[in-house]
Amino acid sequence: DADVTQTPRNRITKTGKRIMLECSQTKGHDRMYWYRQDPGLGLQLIYYSFDVKDINKGEISDGYSVSRQAQAKFSLSLESAIPNQTALYFCATSATGDQPQHFGDGTRLSIL
Amino acid sequence: RKEVEQDPGPFNVPEGATVAFNCTYSNSASQSFFWYRQDCRKEPKLLMSVYSSGNEDGRFTAQLNRASQYISLLIRDSKLSDSATYLCGTGGSYIPTFGRGTSLIVHP
Repeated sequence: DADVTQTPRNRITKTGKRIMLECSQTKGHDRMYWYRQDPGLGLQLIYYSFDVKDINKGEISDGYSVSRQAQAKFSLSLESAIPNQTALYFCATSATGDQPQHFGDGTRLSIL
Repeated sequence: RKEVEQDPGPFNVPEGATVAFNCTYSNSASQSFFWYRQDCRKEPKLLMSVYSSGNEDGRFTAQLNRASQYISLLIRDSKLSDSATYLCGTGGSYIPTFGRGTSLIVHP
């Protein structure tokens, strides 16, 4: 089983819909992150959490919200999806800031 | 200016060649550095961590130059299977930062 699991793997939906992407991990890491990746733009940080009670905005948080339900679970929501949120989304974890990140398989999201 | 800069490439090399990528970073407080490999539309996977001057793993060598604030990745005896995008990342007491990646294409 994967250490960092994202669901769903693929999603096609319509403008205006609310969408939730889920991430769970079995690595026991406190730190969790959500990124989006667009072609040519690299990884852009949306939100990050250093523990259950600590949630922080990243560089592109507008239009997104998150929930850290437990150490192992970190969900990303798009309250009212728009087409320019079509992207590949990754969840990642790390033990500390000095340790590398471990990524989930990604969610391919298309908004029509 | 992004905190971590990489030449996007692509670097197009024949099998067996040696190829090197550089990654420059602007935050002098960065304590740890990472190279990740990313295949098309898949998740980045850790290739190598660098905490001091460098690291070596088989055909791959990473070097850190703190004075000039760059990290390099050297790949010797390139294989077709090395074709991928290589992401550079930094870590420390703040949030991690990634470069946009360097594309490598190894051809027969």
